[in-house]
Amino acid sequence: GEDVEQSLFLSVREGDSSVINCTYTDSSSTYLYWYKQEPGAGLQLLTYIFSNMDMKQDQRLTVLLNKKDKHLSLRIADTQTGDSAIYFCAVHGSSNTGKLIFGQGTTLQVKP
Amino acid sequence: DTGVSQDPRHKITKRGQNVTFRCDPISEHNRLYWYRQTLGQGPEFLTYFQNEAQLEKSRLLSDRFSAERPKGSFSTLEIQRTEQGDSAMYLCASSPRDRGHAKNIQYFGAGTRLSVL
Repeated sequence: GEDVEQSLFLSVREGDSSVINCTYTDSSSTYLYWYKQEPGAGLQLLTYIFSNMDMKQDQRLTVLLNKKDKHLSLRIADTQTGDSAIYFCAVHGSSNTGKLIFGQGTTLQVKP
Repeated sequence: DTGVSQDPRHKITKRGQNVTFRCDPISEHNRLYWYRQTLGQGPEFLTYFQNEAQLEKSRLLSDRFSAERPKGSFSTLEIQRTEQGDSAMYLCASSPRDRGHAKNIQYFGAGTRLSVL
């Protein structure tokens, strides 16, 4: 079945850029997503990219998609302490069913 | 638009009891999803509805779990004879009525945290 992998932890200094990486096994997902989760809260949709795009920029967020390597990344420019959270990569299951397959999440720690 | 609403936010129950959670999707979203998230893990898909029809169920959804969406609006998730292993965050999401691929973009509620003692 579909598998999504992320590194578990990233620590950066305030003002630096953060890059969170994700790899996946099934390339049939039409959209690929990044969600943010703060402690005790639900998931906030941060951004998504259509599978026929290589890059999408949205203010401080840049999503890069390498379909050949099945690699998705999220870059956060000028990282702030308020960006500290868990970030999840998600893709649709095979055959583009409604369900999302999530990675384990990357905890981003931003030091002042 | 108030977003996806889940009730209750927290539930503490004793093993063996039944619990029911409610989810109200974003208005006019016709798809509704349930996920479960245990500590330190990403959410895992349980089931989803398009209008009142339950279109897919995960193997995680044992026979103690049942979900309904009787009028195609709100949904309930019931767990019978709860076990300690059911302790988790139960997340609901909805996606818009759209003939394009946007119908799969899911917006999540704040979740219901279940603790089974």
